[in-house]
Amino acid sequence: SQQGEEDPQALSIQEGENATMNCSYKTSINNLQWYRQNSGRGLVHLILIRSNEREKHSGRLRVTLDTSKKSSSLLITASRAADTASYFCATDRNTGNQFYFGTGTSLTVIP
Amino acid sequence: ETGVTQTPRHLVMGMTNKKSLKCEQHLGHNAMYWYKQSAKKPLELMFVYNFKEQTENNSVPSRFSPECPNSSHLFLHLHTLQPEDSALYLCASSPRPGQGAYEQYFGPGTRLTVT
Repeated sequence: SQQGEEDPQALSIQEGENATMNCSYKTSINNLQWYRQNSGRGLVHLILIRSNEREKHSGRLRVTLDTSKKSSSLLITASRAADTASYFCATDRNTGNQFYFGTGTSLTVIP
Repeated sequence: ETGVTQTPRHLVMGMTNKKSLKCEQHLGHNAMYWYKQSAKKPLELMFVYNFKEQTENNSVPSRFSPECPNSSHLFLHLHTLQPEDSALYLCASSPRPGQGAYEQYFGPGTRLTVT
C-alpha cells in the first residue's frame, strides 16, 4: 500500500510544548500534505510540501520532507489547547488524483 | 468548512432502507470525492469525479451508488447496507483533477449508523 503511516498514534503534551508527528510512506510521491481533523468533523488542509522541497513553514507549523527516507514530519510549536485534534498525512500517486491517508496521530494538548 | 456542505449530518438506517447523502461545494471546483472513515482505519477513497465524470471507483460494493449531476453537487445513494458500513462519510472537492499540486476541501461529514 502507498498510504502514509503516522507515528505516534497518540500524543499528549502540555500547552506551550512542541508537538512532533511523523509520517512514512512506501513509494515515490509528487506531494505530501498534512491535514487536521477535529473530532467527528471534516479534515482541514494545513500545508502542502512538494517532492523537491525539504522544509516548509506556515505560522506555528513546520513540515520537513526526506524523500530518501520516504518520511515527513510535522512540528507544531508553542502548542495550544485548540490544537487538540487528529493529524493526517496524505500522499498522492504519481498519476491520477488519488490521495492516500494514514490512520492519523491523535494529539491532546493539556491546558 | 462552509465551502463544502453535507446533508444530513447524522443518519440512522436499517439494512433494508434506501437513503441518499448529499454534498454541495460552493468553491467552483471541478473534482469531487467520497471518502469513508471508519474507526482505527485509514481514510478510504471511494469515488472520484472530475468534471462530472467518474474517474475512480476503488472496488466499492454496488450497494453504494454515486451520482454527480454537475460539478457542484455529489450524491451517494445507499441501499441494503450492512452494519460494517457504519462510518463517517466525507465529501471533498479540489480545484482541478490530476496534474499539479492541490489541496482538498472537506465537508463536515455524515455520521451513518446502519442497524
